[in-house]
Amino acid sequence: QVHLQESGPGLVKPSETLSLTCNVSGESISSTSYHWGWIRQPPGKGLDWIGSIFYTGSTHYNPSLKSRVTISVDTSKNQFSLKLTSVTAADTAVYYCARDLYHSVHPAAFHIWGQGTMVTVSS
Amino acid sequence: SYVLTQPPSVSVAPGQTARISCAGNSIGSKSVFWYQQRSGQAPVLVVSDDSDRPSGIPERLSGSKSGITATLTISRVEAGDEADYYCQVWDTSRDHVVFGGGTKLTVL
Repeated sequence: QVHLQESGPGLVKPSETLSLTCNVSGESISSTSYHWGWIRQPPGKGLDWIGSIFYTGSTHYNPSLKSRVTISVDTSKNQFSLKLTSVTAADTAVYYCARDLYHSVHPAAFHIWGQGTMVTVSS
Repeated sequence: SYVLTQPPSVSVAPGQTARISCAGNSIGSKSVFWYQQRSGQAPVLVVSDDSDRPSGIPERLSGSKSGITATLTISRVEAGDEADYYCQVWDTSRDHVVFGGGTKLTVL
């Protein structure tokens, strides 16, 4: 059974870089043709897609965040990561990692989710 | 950018049918996905490709689409159905995932 687990600091200072990792177990990222994504949810608000990465390293990003986001994959560790630069209080949210539903040339939908990790941006 | 519009809230009595709408231009040409998010939990995919159900999702939950609106229908509503529901598509024009704003389903 595939399991995703987010990890990283729960508190980040304004203007610094938010860094999270999603560890995948039960399935090899490099042997499956899925997209792996990051989605966030500010407190009391809706879901906001950040971006997705294919096992080859090909990425798709939310246009509204593209200038600040980098998603990378480390197949040797079976994990993928998120970096979000120049954070502000508006980036405070629960951050989820997720695996796509389909083997597809672009992200489609999110079938398997991590439990989420709360990140607060504050000095 | 592409926008999906959902009603903020829907209320229904137990045993009745809840319908949650999701409107978007040209939604007919896109595959619509629905998620259920109970309080404090991660979202769960409950409908894929407009009307398919992933394994383990009860038949009481169903999806449909007509015109510019997709609809999630929950029949014989139970207390456990109380949750936030989100629709989602892939916007091919800008190559990005779009979520609707979410609908809070309250079971009276």
